[in-house]
Amino acid sequence: DAMVIQNPRYQVTQFGKPVTLSCSQTLNHNVMYWYQQKSSQAPKLLFHYYDKDFNNEADTPDNFQSRRPNTSFCFLDIRSPGLGDAAMYLCATSRDRRQPTYEQYFGPGTRLTVT
Amino acid sequence: AQSVTQLDSHVSVSEGTPVLLRCNYSSSYSPSLFWYVQHPNKGLQLLLKYTSAATLVKGINGFEAEFKKSETSFHLTKPSAHMSDAAEYFCVVSDRRGGATNKLIFGTGTLLAVQP
Repeated sequence: DAMVIQNPRYQVTQFGKPVTLSCSQTLNHNVMYWYQQKSSQAPKLLFHYYDKDFNNEADTPDNFQSRRPNTSFCFLDIRSPGLGDAAMYLCATSRDRRQPTYEQYFGPGTRLTVT
Repeated sequence: AQSVTQLDSHVSVSEGTPVLLRCNYSSSYSPSLFWYVQHPNKGLQLLLKYTSAATLVKGINGFEAEFKKSETSFHLTKPSAHMSDAAEYFCVVSDRRGGATNKLIFGTGTLLAVQP
């Protein structure tokens, strides 16, 4: 089945220690998104890639970076995690970023704990 | 600007009874609307979507929603709740920005509890 895969499902890192979260997709979608979701809140968009074109949200901290080496993979790098960065991180894809009828397909998420 | 309001943060029903999760939207355009479900520690799964075709939309697992333009509502219903329906439900509108990136605008979520 075509899908969005996130690894690892659970990640523990230390305060200030860089961490990378991984997302891959077999849907061959052009767009990949990263969301941060804190407990009992809606997902918050951090940034997205349209092909290789990176688009950052205005309020995403500089501490968060992303890479997309090819169509299938996208990475979220947190350069110096703080306690406030503990959250669920969701990767999503969609066929096109300009078509509002296209839904987004979400991965299972990575739960990040910062100690 | 487009937005959605989920009128209930928590809903509790008994197994076998109907489910109603309420959502109102605000949009300057003909909106695209979605309902997503999230089980604990899982990603979001699309239940159904409205994209200006039929106003009554049928989704997975027996859920359906009706788009009512006059009431700016898109309520989610199911005739008979199952224990496995216990989850968080998000009403979502697609933010049309005329050629720029389409983004999802999420409601604050409704936590559905199903009592045996």
